[in-house]
This record gives sequence, structure tokens and C-alpha cells, in this order.
Amino acid sequence: NAGVTQTPKFQVLKTGQSMTLQCAQDMNHEYMSWYRQDPGMGLRLIHYSVGAGITDQGEVPNGYNVSRSTTEDFPLRLLSAAPSQTSVYFCASSSGQGGSRGELFFGEGSRLTVL
Amino acid sequence: DAKTTQPNSMESNEEEPVHLPCNHSTISGTDYIHWYRQLPSQGPEYVIHGLTSNVNNRMASLAIAEDRKSSTLILHRATLRDAAVYYCILRDSLNSGGSNYKLTFGKGTLLTVNP
Repeated sequence: NAGVTQTPKFQVLKTGQSMTLQCAQDMNHEYMSWYRQDPGMGLRLIHYSVGAGITDQGEVPNGYNVSRSTTEDFPLRLLSAAPSQTSVYFCASSSGQGGSRGELFFGEGSRLTVL
Repeated sequence: DAKTTQPNSMESNEEEPVHLPCNHSTISGTDYIHWYRQLPSQGPEYVIHGLTSNVNNRMASLAIAEDRKSSTLILHRATLRDAAVYYCILRDSLNSGGSNYKLTFGKGTLLTVNP
């Protein structure tokens, strides 16, 4: 069982370049989300999705786009990378059951450096 | 959103019990208390959750105060592998359009385990 898979694990970009971080889960989870984690900080929610075709903004959505065309995939797009987007990005998924069920499963992270 | 307060860091010796505190004075009646931990260079992983009663699982125990304004994660015998950042978060049990998946991870408690 692969769980949540993120690619790439490492990426270096130049300012202004665009790229997509991929996230896929094989648990048939309805909910998926993207977090970023800066050094010494907790995780901050970027965008999340409650199902295919439905996305919403989190705490720090500026500079990022998402789409959810399938249940399995939730890519995160950086339209024009900036040094402030240098961070470690985590994708997470959860089942559609709320409250005590539906723990978050996280990927291993994608480390992005913008020069 | 209800917030939690945790100490920035704690230290323990190997094979001794560890009590990680969390204050959540503004917790609502429908909030579950969840704990996650993040090992170095990994994504967070679920540890335990509870509502009112104390909970035990293979990883840890969760002790919840009678007024629910605080809780304590208990590692009965710390090992070097338990060195991680521990996050205490609140999660609304009401499945209101996915908002209960907008989990807020603060900075957590960095646990150091000495051999």
C-alpha cells in the first residue's frame, strides 16, 4: 500500500519559473490538502479539496493553484516561483469521515528551493 | 478556530516516561483532540486522538482533563526513535463541508531523548 506519494522529492527553480508538485493517494480518500513548512515553523495549509472538482483556499494560498480532476491526484502548481516559496511541501489525505475518524496521512515531502 | 498551546521543547531520558502537555482552553464540545508527530525529515504521522475519556494505543496514551481545557500525551518509555516534534491539534467532529479538515498545526513541542 503506497499511501500518499509526492514527486519530486527535491527541486531547484529559478525565480519566475513554474512547476507542478505532484501528489497521489491510493486509499480512495475524498479529502486532500497541501501544507508548507518553513524552518522552525509548523505546517501552514495552502489549499485543500473535499472531493473531485472541489477545491478551497487555506491559510497561505497566494502564488499557488490547485485542481482536483480525479480522486487520486491533487497537484500543486507554482505559477511564477519566488524565493519566498522556498520550503518543504507536504501533501496529506484523509477519508471522508469526520471527527474521530479520518486521520491525515502525509506524504514524505517535497523540498523546493527557489533561487 | 480553537487553538492549542504547547511548550516549545522538552527533554527526556531513554526508557523514562514523557508527559507532553497541551492547553486548549477554548475547546468546543464537538472538538476532538488529536496528536501527530513529525520525525526528522519526514511528514507528520498520526499518534492518537480522544474526546473526553483517556485513550491508549500501541504508541501512546492520551490523558484529557475533566474540563477538557488541557490534555497530556504520555509516552510510557521513551526511545531514541521517539525524538520528534509533537503537535496537539483540535478537530471539529462536525463534517461541515470539509472545514474540519483545515487543521492548524502550530510549532509543536520538540522532544529530545537522551541516551
